[in-house]
This record gives sequence, structure tokens and C-alpha cells, in this order.
Amino acid sequence: DGGITQSPKYLFRKEGQNVTLSCEQNLNHDAMYWYRQDPGQGLRLIYYSQIVNDFQKGDIAEGYSVSREKKESFPLTVTSAQKNPTAFYLCASSTRQGSGGYTFGSGTRLTVV
Amino acid sequence: AQRVTQPEKLLSVFKGAPVELKCNYSYSGSPELFWYVQYSRQRLQLLLRHISRESIKGFTADLNKGETSFHLKKPFAQEEDSAMYYCALISPGSNYKLTFGKGTLLTVNP
Repeated sequence: DGGITQSPKYLFRKEGQNVTLSCEQNLNHDAMYWYRQDPGQGLRLIYYSQIVNDFQKGDIAEGYSVSREKKESFPLTVTSAQKNPTAFYLCASSTRQGSGGYTFGSGTRLTVV
Repeated sequence: AQRVTQPEKLLSVFKGAPVELKCNYSYSGSPELFWYVQYSRQRLQLLLRHISRESIKGFTADLNKGETSFHLKKPFAQEEDSAMYYCALISPGSNYKLTFGKGTLLTVNP
């Protein structure tokens, strides 16, 4: 099961804590993305990066932060400023123009307790 | 701004019946359209894209620029088709970000 790996599969966080979700890909893709999936909301883009050391805010970036120090890795930090962090988080990667479609990871389910 | 609309949250059909999952989009240029599928407990995966004009698992989708639609069709639904289906759009004008509809949950009853 190569391609794109997200860890952990399940994550529990106490209110007020920051947590970091891992995303690694071995597809040699330039671009990487973080989406949040909520029932009835579809997938909403949090952050994306088209090249190393550069990233852009998506539609719902507030309360999240990312880094892209290596081509293979795009970790997402859910900060305490995120008001409703309980959700399913999906990481994806693609070629820079995305014409072949995106490849998705298996997701991380974050629960705030 | 680009937008993808899937008007049906839920769609239920019987095995062997035809199925059509609707997708409409708003974008003034020439976007690339996709259908993604998420089976229970599996990761989101690409089903088909309009550029390749291929048929996957018996599904087809035709891009209708006049109606700005990209409906997904299958003549005879199977129980294993039960899943969440997402229509998505990508365009140069949005830095090639993939914009998703809210999804349609298809249930195929025996």
C-alpha cells in the first residue's frame, strides 16, 4: 500500500492542545493538499503546496498551519485556535497541474475530548 | 469562483436498475472534471475523468458544456456500487486546486 501515507489513523486531542498530522508520499509529486471531510459538507481545502518551501491557504485555513520542508512530506498542525477540530482529515498529492487527478491517503480521524 | 453542485445527498436504487448521479458546475473556462468514489472503510479514489473518456466499472460520464453538467451514469447498478460519490473540478484559474461537490451517497438495494 504505497503512494501516500497518513498517520496516525486515529488521534485524540484535549482541548487547548496542538496536534500534528503526518502525510508522506513517495510518488514524486510536486503538489500536496490537506482536506477536511465532514458529513454533508464534502471535502473542503485547508492548505495546499505546489512546491517545496511554499504553501497557500485554502478555503478553511483558520486554526491550521502547515510546513513543506521536503517534497515527500506535508504535515498539518491543528492548533488550539481551530474552533471545531473534530473531523476526518485527508491528505492528497498530485502533479503540479493535477491533470491526472489527485491520489489520496487513507485519512486521520481527529477527535477532541 | 468555481463551484460544483451535486443536488442529491442520497440516492437509492434497486440492483439492475439504471443509476444517474447528477453533477453541475460553474466555471467560465475549460475545466477538467472528475468523479471520485469512496467505498465503506476505503480511501477516496479516482473513478474517472472526462479527458480520458473511459468507462470504469461500467460507469460513464459525459461533459456537457452547454448545460455545465457532468452526470455519472451506469445502466445496471450492482450492490457493490454502494458508496459515496464526489464530483470534482480542477482549473488553471484556481492554481489547479480540486474543488469538490458535497457528495451523493448511493445505496443499491438487493
